[in-house]
Amino acid sequence: NAGVTQTPKFQVLKTGQSMTLQCAQDMNHNSMYWYRQDPGMGLRLIYYSASEGTTDKGEVPNGYNVSRLNKREFSLRLESAAPSQTSVYFCASRANSGAFFGQGTRLTVV
Amino acid sequence: RKEVEQDPGPFNVPEGATVAFNCTYSNSASQSFFWYRQDCRKEPKLLMSVYSSGNEDGRFTAQLNRASQYISLLIRDSKLSDSATYLCVVEKGGTSYGKLTFGQGTILTVHP
Repeated sequence: NAGVTQTPKFQVLKTGQSMTLQCAQDMNHNSMYWYRQDPGMGLRLIYYSASEGTTDKGEVPNGYNVSRLNKREFSLRLESAAPSQTSVYFCASRANSGAFFGQGTRLTVV
Repeated sequence: RKEVEQDPGPFNVPEGATVAFNCTYSNSASQSFFWYRQDCRKEPKLLMSVYSSGNEDGRFTAQLNRASQYISLLIRDSKLSDSATYLCVVEKGGTSYGKLTFGQGTILTVHP
């Protein structure tokens, strides 16, 4: 049982490049989330999806887009990466008992 | 005011000590509450949910006070392995799961 799987685990981008962070869960959860974590800032919600076909903005959505492709997958896209988007990105899915996280993607934008 | 605020710590305690963390939340419509732990460079992991009646899991006890809008986590008989960052999480619920808002975390170091 893999739980929540994120790819890639590490990525270095140049300013202006685009990329998509992938997230998939095999727990049949409806709700999924994308967070970023910066030193001293805690986890901040970028976007979330309460169910397949719906997405909502979180606290820091600017510069990001998301796609809830199906119930399993929730991707995060950076259209034009900026150094301010250097961070650790976590995807999560929600069960009754709480949210479960992927291992994270460490993204550096140079 | 932040939606979720925690004691920033850090807390440095000896093995065997009892330590308590508090967390306040601003939205009175919040419905669900959790404590997570996060080890260095790892993902957050669910520690326990927090219920109005309080709940206990081994050495860990969580309490919710809706009137004062705070939750707490008590760790008894601290172990070296308890060293981590503890995150308070609050959710404003509804008919479906809503946004999970995290506090900034409290760093705990347990020393021999």
